[in-house]
Amino acid sequence: SSELTQDPAVSVALGQTVRITCQGDSLRIFYESWYQQKPGQAPVLVIYGKNNRPSGIPDRFSGSSSGNTASLTITGAQAEDEADYYCSSRDSSGSHHVFGTGTKVTVL
Amino acid sequence: EVQLVQSGAEVKKPGESLKISCKGSGYNFSNYYIGWVRQMPGRGLEWMGIIYPGDPDARYSPSFQGHVTISVDKSITTAYLQWSSLKASDTATYFCVREYSQAFDVWGQGTMLSVFS
Repeated sequence: SSELTQDPAVSVALGQTVRITCQGDSLRIFYESWYQQKPGQAPVLVIYGKNNRPSGIPDRFSGSSSGNTASLTITGAQAEDEADYYCSSRDSSGSHHVFGTGTKVTVL
Repeated sequence: EVQLVQSGAEVKKPGESLKISCKGSGYNFSNYYIGWVRQMPGRGLEWMGIIYPGDPDARYSPSFQGHVTISVDKSITTAYLQWSSLKASDTATYFCVREYSQAFDVWGQGTMLSVFS
């Protein structure tokens, strides 16, 4: 079973802001990363470390963390942001990686 | 261009063996961990394990330890995931990934595996 828990689904109106959360004890110790996956495609890294965006990722994507909860915020959501989003981090032992349960984002 | 290119889709029978590959290019292959991720149909991502090209010993998720073997041949910049006896429950898409700064910054295109009798 996953040690990182996400809400199954969220919706956001076009142009509005949505926050996706990820909870797990290991987040108190280790940085999280966030991935966007569209149907039939490989996931894409959107946030890593302390709110770092890989080249090519729009600045409407941002990350934050407090205690055992990490968040991915999309400010001004676009239609192309509709996708599944997964968080990831180390597990509590630090020896392995683990993915969150995933959140489906719908842009209305 | 930094990329990971995986081998093609496979259709196998239960009990058969299989080895799928992931070839890295565009970067110094020896300097980065390579991992594998499973995605069963309609389901989420599962981290399977990881290997460092300069170290023959892979680390496995407890969920996959003993069920798969991860290996690497750095001379041809290729990582592998193999099964000795497939089950129907191995039906999934498998992604290889490059680890950078505790994240997975490069993903292969995925290898779809179907196992049925």
